[in-house]
Amino acid sequence: EAGVTQSPTHLIKTRGQQATLRCSPISGHTSVYWYQQALGLGLQFLLWYDEGEERNRGNFPPRFSGRQFPNYSSELNVNALELEDSALYLCASSLVAQYHNEQFFGPGTRLTVL
Amino acid sequence: RKEVEQDPGPFNVPEGATVAFNCTYSNSASQSFFWYRQDCRKEPKLLMSVYSSGNEDGRFTAQLNRASQYISLLIRDSKLSDSATYLCVVTRPGSARQLTFGSGTQLTVLP
Repeated sequence: EAGVTQSPTHLIKTRGQQATLRCSPISGHTSVYWYQQALGLGLQFLLWYDEGEERNRGNFPPRFSGRQFPNYSSELNVNALELEDSALYLCASSLVAQYHNEQFFGPGTRLTVL
Repeated sequence: RKEVEQDPGPFNVPEGATVAFNCTYSNSASQSFFWYRQDCRKEPKLLMSVYSSGNEDGRFTAQLNRASQYISLLIRDSKLSDSATYLCVVTRPGSARQLTFGSGTQLTVLP
């Protein structure tokens, strides 16, 4: 069974630009989560999508946004990039029906803002 | 106080050793608990969910003490391949879908 996939693997942008990151969940999973892991810091929850709707967001500014498509894949958009947005962005997916909500992560997109 | 606190580490142990990691969480209403491992510059991988009765998976044993808000992970007969950062994870009360990660404990198993 294929795991969570993310693209691109690496992304280099300059300040003020926009970045778009993509994620495909495990087949059958309807929930997609986005996390940010800045260098030397822990994983911070960004966004949760389920059935095409944004269900929850973490403590990030509105320039972090995203969407979920009918096939449950998801896109994270970061507008007006700042240097501190440089981080590993991880996508995870889970089965909504599962009580313990085990989340499985993709390999991440490493975003570098110059 | 952080929502999830872990032993700072690093832990450097010889092959074959038994090592234990501890974790405390601040909100008594947290419902689900997990241990993930993360290799350097890789994604976290689910190691095991932690159940109230405790659970074991091969060399790994996880325990949960809700009264003390404490989670532990025991690794027996350490292997070189166990070297990684171990992340204690809890779900946020009121938002069972949102995981809160500890900062991780780094383990190095030495030959």
